[in-house]
Amino acid sequence: DIQLTQSPSTLSASIGDRVTITCRASRSINSWLAWYQQKPGKAPNLLIYQASTSQSGVTSRFSGGGSGTDFSLTISSLQPEDSATYYCHQYSIYPFTFGQGTKVEVK
Amino acid sequence: EVQLVESGGGLVRPGGSLTLSCAGSQFSVRDSAIHWVRQAPGKGLEWVARIRVKATDYATVYATSVKGRFTISRDDSRNMAFLKMDNLKTEDTAVYFCVSPRRGHSDDAFETWGQGTRVTVSS
Repeated sequence: DIQLTQSPSTLSASIGDRVTITCRASRSINSWLAWYQQKPGKAPNLLIYQASTSQSGVTSRFSGGGSGTDFSLTISSLQPEDSATYYCHQYSIYPFTFGQGTKVEVK
Repeated sequence: EVQLVESGGGLVRPGGSLTLSCAGSQFSVRDSAIHWVRQAPGKGLEWVARIRVKATDYATVYATSVKGRFTISRDDSRNMAFLKMDNLKTEDTAVYFCVSPRRGHSDDAFETWGQGTRVTVSS
């Protein structure tokens, strides 16, 4: 199975900060990676697919990058509503797998 | 609003069975691959199973942790999909989400999610 390792596991940043979460795959997944935001008690919401393509309706504050084994999700200017847990997800090969999540706290 | 709606969760004893349902609301389940993803309490996301559409022979694939115990199926006439769970274990306790990939794709990022249904396996 492909392992996805996210870092950091938690982060705390201030409003307006630029924040980056990384996701490393145990082997190459080309660009078959997505990012989701999940708020407590809610289903995840797709932010980015194919590593860097923004889902329709998602604020331009969120951007994704990378290919192969190393990926990133950047929030350009952190807002209070960005407080959530973020997951990466590889859909290159079955079984699909997710990173362990990064909890983002807005100070 | 376009959505998937799960039902059928509940409390079940270890070794028991349960069937989860996923219905499309203003969403054509019959035209979409359907996956199930679960989330144990306080934990991350785990992909469980996928079923493709009729044109690709309803092909299924399962996570190793559920293979042989869970069965994913669909009833296109009712616009629904199902997850039959047998020989349940305590580690199957989770919220189960019915999800659909980006339109036109079977094996892609998950664009449409249900609200989830909770399954608790406990004696």
